[in-house]
Amino acid sequence: RKEVEQDPGPFNVPEGATVAFNCTYSNSASQSFFWYRQDCRKEPKLLMSVYSSGNEDGRFTAQLNRASQYISLLIRDSKLSDSATYLCVVRNNAGNMLTFGGGTRLMVKP
Amino acid sequence: ETGVTQSPTHLIKTRGQQVTLRCSSQSGHNTVSWYQQALGQGPQFIFQYYREEENGRGNFPPRFSGLQFPNYSSELNVNALELDDSALYLCASRGMNTEAFFGQGTRLTVV
Repeated sequence: RKEVEQDPGPFNVPEGATVAFNCTYSNSASQSFFWYRQDCRKEPKLLMSVYSSGNEDGRFTAQLNRASQYISLLIRDSKLSDSATYLCVVRNNAGNMLTFGGGTRLMVKP
Repeated sequence: ETGVTQSPTHLIKTRGQQVTLRCSSQSGHNTVSWYQQALGQGPQFIFQYYREEENGRGNFPPRFSGLQFPNYSSELNVNALELDDSALYLCASRGMNTEAFFGQGTRLTVV
């Protein structure tokens, strides 16, 4: 079993749609959680950190359920520019390693 | 951009050769980590350096080695290159209580 698992997609959605991505992680001692965005042939860029209380940044909402070891990302009112691969990332409790999921590819169509 | 720069951006090597990749961390960041990203997969942790010492290593063989210099820049060395080493190599830097910021990566092709 992979340490961080995501549905690879692709998710093909029309502009304006709401889309949700899920992620599960296996190490219950994991310390911190993130969503990164990666455009084709580019480096990953931090989208947002994920907190147990849930957090929102504009059209993006992230949730963490430590009991279920489950992380989610919700994108509302999808834009063409949201097309990318979204990487679920977990940092270990030593703080010295990021473990990435395989990524979920999103394609937003006109 | 992030202030993390990597060189070279692209590289072609022959199986069995050795390669050195370089990374300059963002100003004020004393921690550098390296990742390997194969096509269609997420990045895999190779190792991390903090104040010139390796302080974490992923599941990579000893032919993957590294250095960090007093100015916190870093090198990744790979010996005896194999075809499966072809990948995007990413460097990330962070400081105290900051998140990791990635460089644009070095795309290595082994033929």
